[in-house]
Amino acid sequence: GNSVTQMEGPVTLSEEAFLTINCTYTATGYPSLFWYVQYPGEGLQLLLKATKADDKGSNKGFEATYRKETTSFHLEKGSVQVSDSAVYFCALKGYSTLTFGKGTMLLVSP
Amino acid sequence: DGGITQSPKYLFRKEGQNVTLSCEQNLNHDAMYWYRQDPGQGLRLIYYSQIVNDFQKGDIAEGYSVSREKKESFPLTVTSAQKNPTAFYLCASSRGLLRGGSNTGELFFGEGSRLTVL
Repeated sequence: GNSVTQMEGPVTLSEEAFLTINCTYTATGYPSLFWYVQYPGEGLQLLLKATKADDKGSNKGFEATYRKETTSFHLEKGSVQVSDSAVYFCALKGYSTLTFGKGTMLLVSP
Repeated sequence: DGGITQSPKYLFRKEGQNVTLSCEQNLNHDAMYWYRQDPGQGLRLIYYSQIVNDFQKGDIAEGYSVSREKKESFPLTVTSAQKNPTAFYLCASSRGLLRGGSNTGELFFGEGSRLTVL
């Protein structure tokens, strides 16, 4: 079956540091891939997505590239802000639903 | 504004009681979903519905029930058979059927309901 594996958190960074959150997946074929973000006390919202190999999704300074050879979709940001503190979920689209990773908490200090 | 409304935001239940969580959407989406979120376990799918009067079990449906009598509404009942119901519950919807080419795979989430069993 489909599965998504994310690096465990929390990831703690200082403001303006470089961020990488690793995500790898197992699936049949080439599913669409997503990053969702959950701010404290809220539901999830879509951050970015990629629908085919070598696609790069980007939004709000975050980027992720769909790498089929390594089955990965790592999230990166060049300079994080305190307001980026949240839980980040990697997900893939299966036949009828999305499969989510366990989430990675990011804590950014001033 | 269009969106998904979940209620109540916080709910306390005694053991042995059933409780129903409400989920309403005004996005005119066909598909709706219920996820359970536990610390360190991410999101797990409970039930989903692609059309009115039809729904499918997800990965952890035991102890839960749903109905889909209206397109806008997808309530979740946590029954007394659910052995460990304390969790954060998230409702979501999507445009079109996930199986179809028209669906981008984007889910729209409500703000969640936190259930605590005393």
